[in-house]
Amino acid sequence: GQQVMQIPQYQHVQEGEDFTTYCNSSTTLSNIQWYKQRPGGHPVFLIQLVKSGEVKKQKRLTFQFGEAKKNSSLHITATQTTDVGTYFCAGLKTGANNLFFGTGTRLTVIP
Amino acid sequence: DAGITQSPRYKITETGRQVTLMCHQTWSHSYMFWYRQDLGHGLRLIYYSAAADITDKGEVPDGYVVSRSKTENFPLTLESATRSQTSVYFCASSKGQGVGQYFGPGTRLTVT
Repeated sequence: GQQVMQIPQYQHVQEGEDFTTYCNSSTTLSNIQWYKQRPGGHPVFLIQLVKSGEVKKQKRLTFQFGEAKKNSSLHITATQTTDVGTYFCAGLKTGANNLFFGTGTRLTVIP
Repeated sequence: DAGITQSPRYKITETGRQVTLMCHQTWSHSYMFWYRQDLGHGLRLIYYSAAADITDKGEVPDGYVVSRSKTENFPLTLESATRSQTSVYFCASSKGQGVGQYFGPGTRLTVT
């Protein structure tokens, strides 16, 4: 079964609106990573969060790791057409050897 | 700097045939991974390798074989292709376990 759940599956926003995607795990994660995949492209590593309650920013993107290390979010402020793509979270379960990817959130930005 | 490359980029094959997908990285990363991507399932790990001559199964290994005789290469073989193996296959590499992975451009495989 799916190890890491991600919602929503799809999101359409007007350019300039904000966007948030959420990632949830039933078990504690040692770290969580976020990737972006443009249409027709390959996943590109964005960031990794390791500490409980950690918040990291990359320009208009804000990443959070929950206090219990079971959930995470990615927030994009004032979306642009260049933000279009699918955003994946990937969690490394404590004691495990490999990442489990969420099913992704496909973002469409309407100009 | 080529980074990580995959070949072929597109492949059409028939059911029952053997197919090998190639992956090559120039970063000397220890870890390499093979994923398949299907609608509704996201990315699922097939096999991974922590170093040359060390490989381990992922979430969906059945029907696939891997080898890693050299650090830079990690070929994936479908011994007898089935229609359910129609997918986009991504190879990835990373410096270590649990750190960011760098993906190749993918191979779109169709099994008829």
